[in-house]
Amino acid sequence: GENVEQHPSTLSVQEGDSAVIKCTYSDSASNYFPWYKQELGKRPQLIIDIRSNVGEKKDQRIAVTLNKTAKHFSLHITETQPEDSAVYFCAASQIRTGRRALTFGSGTRLQVQP
Amino acid sequence: GAGVSQSPRYKVAKRGQDVALRCDPISGHVSLFWYQQALGQGPEFLTYFQNEAQLDKSGLPSDRFFAERPEGSVSTLKIQRTQQEDSAVYLCASSLEGQGRYNEQFFGPGTRLTVL
Repeated sequence: GENVEQHPSTLSVQEGDSAVIKCTYSDSASNYFPWYKQELGKRPQLIIDIRSNVGEKKDQRIAVTLNKTAKHFSLHITETQPEDSAVYFCAASQIRTGRRALTFGSGTRLQVQP
Repeated sequence: GAGVSQSPRYKVAKRGQDVALRCDPISGHVSLFWYQQALGQGPEFLTYFQNEAQLDKSGLPSDRFFAERPEGSVSTLKIQRTQQEDSAVYLCASSLEGQGRYNEQFFGPGTRLTVL
């Protein structure tokens, strides 16, 4: 089955700096890679996702890159703000066919220091 | 419209009791997923429904776990003879398949189960 590894487990940055979180996956059949933000005691919320036919996607301060050959994908947050502090999870699944369920990484706790 | 809702939000059970957790997905969403999230970890898949059909139950940890979605909307996750290791947050997610961003899974707030 799919295995998703995520690092770092914790990340502390100063407000305004950039933050990068990296994930690797094992199953070459995976073709959908969402990122979720989860604040303490709250539900996971999708912040950005990417499909395997695209190498990069941006949405304002957030970007995701995907390297299918190396089975790596990364989340980039620029100009971090205190409200970006949360736990971020990467995930992988297969769309259209195969395993629809998300396989999550173990999470990265991001702290943005004001 | 309303998002995914779950009830109860908190459940305390004595070891050996049976519990039932409810999920109300977003109206019209075809797919429904259950995940288990232990403290400090990422969600782990339990089971998946497409309408009323349970297409994947490979993540259910034991035969004490049972899920159903008889009319293709509301789903119930039942845990029989609860054990302490069942303590976790149980998350439900739904997605709309067939159009546009059909892959996005929308999560409910979860049910925090504590087994004493």
